[in-house]
This record gives sequence, structure tokens and C-alpha cells, in this order.
Amino acid sequence: DTEVTQTPKHLVMGMTNKKSLKCEQHMGHRAMYWYKQKAKKPPELMFVYSYEKLSINESVPSRFSPECPNSSLLNLHLHALQPEDSALYLCASSQVGRSNTGELFFGEGSRLTVL
Amino acid sequence: SQQGEEDPQALSIQEGENATMNCSYKTSINNLQWYRQNSGRGLVHLILIRSNEREKHSGRLRVTLDTSKKSSSLLITASRAADTASYFCATDAPADSWGKFQFGAGTQVVVTP
Repeated sequence: DTEVTQTPKHLVMGMTNKKSLKCEQHMGHRAMYWYKQKAKKPPELMFVYSYEKLSINESVPSRFSPECPNSSLLNLHLHALQPEDSALYLCASSQVGRSNTGELFFGEGSRLTVL
Repeated sequence: SQQGEEDPQALSIQEGENATMNCSYKTSINNLQWYRQNSGRGLVHLILIRSNEREKHSGRLRVTLDTSKKSSSLLITASRAADTASYFCATDAPADSWGKFQFGAGTQVVVTP
């Protein structure tokens, strides 16, 4: 199974809503990532979890709150977002450590629209 | 800041032609990877080249790496309509925390039948 599954595929929310994006992988990867991608731009790294611990936070606003409940799951909790946060949110996973290739396996993304 | 910058930004070719795109980066790297993204979809890993390698092939893909110039190129031979996609390079730097993979601006390739 070489799949990263993201839900929901599409999400529309108001600025006062609280919602969550979910990501699941069963490849035994111990690193999981959140990227944000705006139209016609490259993915921008947001967070990295390594062995279920947050290892990288790219100065992301606190209205985005990541969570890694176990080695297969990654959540992104959303609260009080702004319209400019509308984007494609991509989850990825990989093996850990510089001795590994670092090949990222991506999900299909969650398209978020903030009204 | 982005580690990789790519050119051209966009490339339009006909089926059967070759497509070449380039990626430049700013600091030393561990590896350089190339990914493909179909419109609105997730990214798919194409090929990885390590910092001590100069050239690598995979099917119709050929990647070169010149660490002295801090640049890489991706060549797709005998292109097909299905190769229409955006292509991104991604790098990670020894000086950065592991897992800090950063993507270049990307090249949008359109292959017309």
C-alpha cells in the first residue's frame, strides 16, 4: 500500500469556523508533513513530524494547529482562518533520516476555501 | 526562502519532442529530487539524484546534477500528452533540520498532440 489518503477533498469554511484536515498513511513512514500550495506556486512547507514529534514549524500562524495522534495519522486543525488561507493543503510522508532517500509520498490534497 | 529556482517557467512542445527544464539552488544539498504534479493533484516523485552523482536515468527521464554550478536539469525524451504537468525540483540542505524539503518555483509543461 503506497497511498497517502487525505480527507476531505474539498472544504469550505467561514472565518469563525473550526474544522480539521486529516491525513493517513500505512507505509510505516515515521515522518509526516503538511504543505500549503497556492495556485501556480510551489508547495510551501508548514510542519514536519518525525516519530510523532513536531520537528519543524515554519513559523506558521497559530490558527493552524497540527497534531500527530499516532504514526499513521496527521491532522491539521483550523480555526479563525482568513480568506488568504484558501489553498490546496498537501500531506506527505517519508522514511526518516539522512541515510534514507527522503522520497516524499503525497496525498491528493484538501482544497480549502475560506469565506 | 526557496532553495530551488526553475526555468523556464513554462514550456510548450509537441508530442515526440524532448522537454528540458533546469533547477538552480543556493546552498549545498544532500539530494535533489524531481516531482510531477498534474493540475490540482498531489505531487508524484519522479527521480532522486544524490549530491555525489552527476547523472541518472529512469525510463524517459534523464537528470543531471552540477554541484559546482548548483544546478540540475531534467530531460524528458519523446514527450507524450500525458507528460503535461508542472514539474518541481526539491532539495534538502545539510545545514537545515532533516525533513526541510523545499521546492523550486516549478516549470509548467504542456505537450500538444
